Amino acid sequence: GNSVTQMEGPVTLSEEAFLTINCTYTATGYPSLFWYVQYPGEGLQLLLKATKADDKGSNKGFEATYRKETTSFHLEKGSVQVSDSAVYFCALSPSGNTPLVFGKGTRLSVIA
Amino acid sequence: GAVVSQHPSWVICKSGTSVKIECRSLDFQATTMFWYRQFPKQSLMLMATSNEGSKATYEQGVEKDKFLINHASLTLSTLTVTSAHPEDSSFYICSARRQGVANEKLFFGSGTQLSVL
Repeated sequence: GNSVTQMEGPVTLSEEAFLTINCTYTATGYPSLFWYVQYPGEGLQLLLKATKADDKGSNKGFEATYRKETTSFHLEKGSVQVSDSAVYFCALSPSGNTPLVFGKGTRLSVIA
Repeated sequence: GAVVSQHPSWVICKSGTSVKIECRSLDFQATTMFWYRQFPKQSLMLMATSNEGSKATYEQGVEKDKFLINHASLTLSTLTVTSAHPEDSSFYICSARRQGVANEKLFFGSGTQLSVL
């Protein structure tokens, strides 16, 4: 079946530190991969996506590369800010209209 | 941008009572809405998919008579947890999809934390 595994949180970093949140997946076929972010009190928002192998999604300084050989889609940011504190969810979609499959979410806290 | 309003954001209820959670798309028509549940330290798990005007499709293991979903209009879907018990305590999130749009254009509510005493 389809599943997503992401690193356990919480993750606490100092401002300007480098961030990596690991995400690996299991899927049949060629899924699309996503990172969603949920800021306190808000709904999940799409942060970035990649639809095929070797694609790199990027947004707001965050990046993730679709690695088919390692079935991974790790989220990275070179220099985090306090405003990046949120819960980050890795997700996959087996095809365009099938429901998303989510990971457990990783809470990130950035301290000044 | 598109907004999905979910209400209430948290609710505490006694065992045996029913709780209704509303999910509204504020500025677009949502032909499909998804309901997810997340237990502590677990993944967001899809409970059911609802299409406007038709019966919801429930995932395996989700009791349709316990979790009643109504999607009577293009802007509103409701989830009613009937005869709630402590094991139903969880975080519930809805998401809405515009007609003809792929999954990356899903819009999510902010979630409802349900605590059943």
